[in-house]
Amino acid sequence: GESVGLHLPTLSVQEGDNSIINCAYSNSASDYFIWYKQESGKGPQFIIDIRSNMDKRQGQRVTVLLNKTVKHLSLQIAATQPGDSAVYFCAETVDAGNKLTFGGGTRVLVKP
Amino acid sequence: KAGVTQTPRYLIKTRGQQVTLSCSPISGHRSVSWYQQTPGQGLQFLFEYFSETQRNKGNFPGRFSGRQFSNSRSEMNVSTLELGDSALYLCASSFAQGMGEQFFGPGTRLTVL
Repeated sequence: GESVGLHLPTLSVQEGDNSIINCAYSNSASDYFIWYKQESGKGPQFIIDIRSNMDKRQGQRVTVLLNKTVKHLSLQIAATQPGDSAVYFCAETVDAGNKLTFGGGTRVLVKP
Repeated sequence: KAGVTQTPRYLIKTRGQQVTLSCSPISGHRSVSWYQQTPGQGLQFLFEYFSETQRNKGNFPGRFSGRQFSNSRSEMNVSTLELGDSALYLCASSFAQGMGEQFFGPGTRLTVL
């Protein structure tokens, strides 16, 4: 969805637990979605992507789920580690173009 | 393979001045996009360049401009700086338009006093 960013929601998770980060996107024409991770002082780092013709895609310790009916995207991180602490952004685009619209972000804090 | 590089990393300017930021994409990448990141507005798309042509533009005033050179390096310029232009400016490169993954640089932190 459109970035608002003013109030960044925070997810606190115990090390070793699974994390689920949610994102509502705004444009029903969006057909390509990406999750990015941003650590302090760095640019966003690609995690995983999914096209609109898929409902689920798995990577290493991460799974993205797409529900086009309700325009909802989620990122699941398995066995969350301290290195997963960061801000996570979803992004959407039309025709898989490079004009990304970012969500507001979710901060993940991993407790040892 | 070197990543996206942005220079300078930090910049302090005063209101009314202009600034030029530079981005070198990953070797072989021909598309460069620019984003502005602020605590209030989050990440917002500025523009995209491919083969030296602006392909997409976000909702920013004309004070924000950019260009791309034949070697795919890109610059963005902000004229008549305002306090609200203080932000992290991020550059992202990809192989081409519509080719999925974009790789981001570390950004240029611009502070306008």
